[in-house]
Amino acid sequence: EAGVVQSPRYKIIEKKQPVAFWCNPISGHNTLYWYRQNLGQGPELLIRYENEEAVDDSQLPKDRFSAERLKGVDSTLKIQPAELGDSAVYLCASSLPLNTEAFFGQGTRLTVV
Amino acid sequence: SQQGEEDPQALSIQEGENATMNCSYKTSINNLQWYRQNSGRGLVHLILIRSNEREKHSGRLRVTLDTSKKSSSLLITASRAADTASYFCATGPIQGAQKLVFGQGTRLTINP
Repeated sequence: EAGVVQSPRYKIIEKKQPVAFWCNPISGHNTLYWYRQNLGQGPELLIRYENEEAVDDSQLPKDRFSAERLKGVDSTLKIQPAELGDSAVYLCASSLPLNTEAFFGQGTRLTVV
Repeated sequence: SQQGEEDPQALSIQEGENATMNCSYKTSINNLQWYRQNSGRGLVHLILIRSNEREKHSGRLRVTLDTSKKSSSLLITASRAADTASYFCATGPIQGAQKLVFGQGTRLTINP
């Protein structure tokens, strides 16, 4: 069975440009997370979905970041416009309910120049 | 903000030695999980210990949890070069279930 799939793996964009990341979670996993990981740091939660509902987006910078999870399966995370400080690895993870282990994708490494 | 803090931030040992990493957290938890991250990769789940458990084993891994001190430790016995990675603890809080909050990690280097 395929794990969590993210694309693209790498993205380099100029500041002020838009960018989008895509995530396909493990089949049957209702919970989907987007994390941002800066170099040398642990992952920080941006948004968590339960099915198609965003149940925790308190850490998502809503002025420039948006996310959606249509039909409760795939999810996209968008940044518009990107800033230099957005350079990081964006990780998607999925899990079954009730605080079970999370399965992570390989991440998208974003570089804003 | 991050819930957990790992200690030490970096650890370098010889192959075959044991490696111990610690994690402290701030609020009450439902469970605590340890993850490994190889350079340039996603995180891989290692072990989960629930708040009513004190110790758990999985292969060469041993995890302890002390809820009174709000701390956990991860012991890797007989380390191998392939254990070189960053190790993160993540807590699942009682309130707001299903939200994993990660620490900053311990960078472990195993020298051959």
